[in-house]
Amino acid sequence: GAGVSQSPRYKVAKRGQDVALRCDPISGHVSLFWYQQALGQGPEFLTYFQNEAQLDKSGLPSDRFFAERPEGSVSTLKIQRTQQEDSAVYLCASSLVDSTRQANEKLFFGSGTQLSVL
Amino acid sequence: AQSVAQPEDQVNVAEGNPLTVKCTYSVSGNPYLFWYVQYPNRGLQFLLKYITGDNLVKGSYGFEAEFNKSQTSFHLKKPSALVSDSALYFCAVRDPRYGNKLVFGAGTILRVKS
Repeated sequence: GAGVSQSPRYKVAKRGQDVALRCDPISGHVSLFWYQQALGQGPEFLTYFQNEAQLDKSGLPSDRFFAERPEGSVSTLKIQRTQQEDSAVYLCASSLVDSTRQANEKLFFGSGTQLSVL
Repeated sequence: AQSVAQPEDQVNVAEGNPLTVKCTYSVSGNPYLFWYVQYPNRGLQFLLKYITGDNLVKGSYGFEAEFNKSQTSFHLKKPSALVSDSALYFCAVRDPRYGNKLVFGAGTILRVKS
């Protein structure tokens, strides 16, 4: 597609439920990022992939959060045993270049998945 | 540690007037600085970046930003605001010594009234 695609657009989960959020980056983009955006706040970094390798997961808030990108294209962010504080918009972004080699890349963001945990 | 402050939650300006959206940053090294804009129900869009060189950088839609190292600021400016500029604006900083992540400010709502 023309841009970064995320699905679902909205997700309502009961507390304790597992969820999976999908990101389709722009074709050929090497770098992929996940960010979490709480209401009224700026996005906060969760994790970074270079192709299929997860090079930085320092922003994942707990071991309930898990991300993968097995073939270096589509990525899935999984949250186990969701809690109310997980409610946020989850943003995916991709970049054409290898972010470890070129630090000034422009990121292309998806519209996000709004997760509400009841 | 890196941090970004956007001191104004909201900026109101009349159409045709100049606008400024403020941003200050804190990094211990040389910063890479960015501005992104978010329209309702759409993803963040890149506006401009400062990496090195000329302190005044020009970006999309007529926006520009001035890097001021002594004041650790990177304010976003536009000479003549349009109603269509109304959106949520985020300043972000990256210190390459701490990986690839961008650290974003909390955002500033820009409202341009006709």
